[in-house]
Amino acid sequence: GDSVTQMEGPVTLSEEAFLTINCTYTATGYPSLFWYVQYPGEGLQLLLKATKADDKGSNKGFEATYRKETTSFHLEKGSVQVSDSAVYFCALGAGTALIFGKGTTLSVSS
Amino acid sequence: DGGITQSPKYLFRKEGQNVTLSCEQNLNHDAMYWYRQDPGQGLRLIYYSQIVNDFQKGDIAEGYSVSREKKESFPLTVTSAQKNPTAFYLCASSIAGGRRDTEAFFGQGTRLTVV
Repeated sequence: GDSVTQMEGPVTLSEEAFLTINCTYTATGYPSLFWYVQYPGEGLQLLLKATKADDKGSNKGFEATYRKETTSFHLEKGSVQVSDSAVYFCALGAGTALIFGKGTTLSVSS
Repeated sequence: DGGITQSPKYLFRKEGQNVTLSCEQNLNHDAMYWYRQDPGQGLRLIYYSQIVNDFQKGDIAEGYSVSREKKESFPLTVTSAQKNPTAFYLCASSIAGGRRDTEAFFGQGTRLTVV
């Protein structure tokens, strides 16, 4: 069945460092791909999405490109801030409900 | 403001008791979902509903029940048959079910603890 695999965390960075969180997927057909962020004790918020191959989603300095050839949707940010500390989830949309990865915890220190 | 409201935020239950978690949305969305979140497990789908008066089991439906009598409401009952109910429960909605390109909007979650 369809699935999403994320790199395991936690990821610990200093402020202004470059961030990459890897996400790969397995799916039949042509899924959409999403990144969500969750702050402590809260629900999930959509960060960005891409609905077809080679699309780039971007928001708040974060970017991810839908790569069909490598079945990947890696999240990147050029310069992280302390306020980016959260759990990040990669998700796949294939028609019924979103399928989520296990999440990657990011901790940014000043 | 439009959004999804889950209540209560924290809930304590004694073993052997049923408990109902509330989820209400005023986004006029057709589809609603319940997910369970455990540390290191990500989000797992419990039930989903693509339209009023219809719902489907997700990956971990055993020990749970739902109803969808109104478009805006999708309550989840955690029954005594659920062996390990302590978790963070998230309700979500999307404008339409069955579409791969629509994002889900989430509530703030209910943390259920069995005591």
